[in-house]
Amino acid sequence: DTGVSQDPRHKITKRGQNVTFRCDPISEHNRLYWYRQTLGQGPEFLTYFQNEAQLEKSRLLSDRFSAERPKGSFSTLEIQRTEQGDSAMYLCASSLAGLAGVYNEQFFGPGTRLTVL
Amino acid sequence: SQQGEEDPQALSIQEGENATMNCSYKTSINNLQWYRQNSGRGLVHLILIRSNEREKHSGRLRVTLDTSKKSSSLLITASRAADTASYFCAAAGNYGQNFVFGPGTRLSVLP
Repeated sequence: DTGVSQDPRHKITKRGQNVTFRCDPISEHNRLYWYRQTLGQGPEFLTYFQNEAQLEKSRLLSDRFSAERPKGSFSTLEIQRTEQGDSAMYLCASSLAGLAGVYNEQFFGPGTRLTVL
Repeated sequence: SQQGEEDPQALSIQEGENATMNCSYKTSINNLQWYRQNSGRGLVHLILIRSNEREKHSGRLRVTLDTSKKSSSLLITASRAADTASYFCAAAGNYGQNFVFGPGTRLSVLP
């Protein structure tokens, strides 16, 4: 399967614990995005990378959230000291940004559903 | 932000009818994309239209873009029960960054 994969698919944790999610993008894609989605809402942008550089972070992303893409391939999203309000689906997407302002569609992974008790 | 906003929020039609959904955004964009999401599942990319394009087709899908009105529409022709899903538009900024999704249109196609 050459699509975007995410691991784990489900995570249940207790409030105050740290969690880490992994995303493996489509191999030739240089851009990787993280989103959060709650029930009945559209995906909410969190951050994105071009290769290993984190180019933008949402103002909604608190200091408890950190993301990395160390070698420009897979990415991790860590949430420290989780709160019940962090319960959501965390989606990863990748795309190919080409030359001369050609930006292409994002392909989404299946998501990681986080439940904070 | 580029702010995608879909309209209507919910739409219920009979199988075989056409469904039209609209999307508005606030600032200049590089492209606009439409996605489908079945309940509890991931997003599936449907179609991308670039800022210099006015109309695009893909199978039973037709997307239009009016940059002067900062709006786009998605038309699904001859709808099927399997088209029942939420549909989202996402506006991408001039550098392809920061896709902003609206709350979506929940489409129900009744058999």
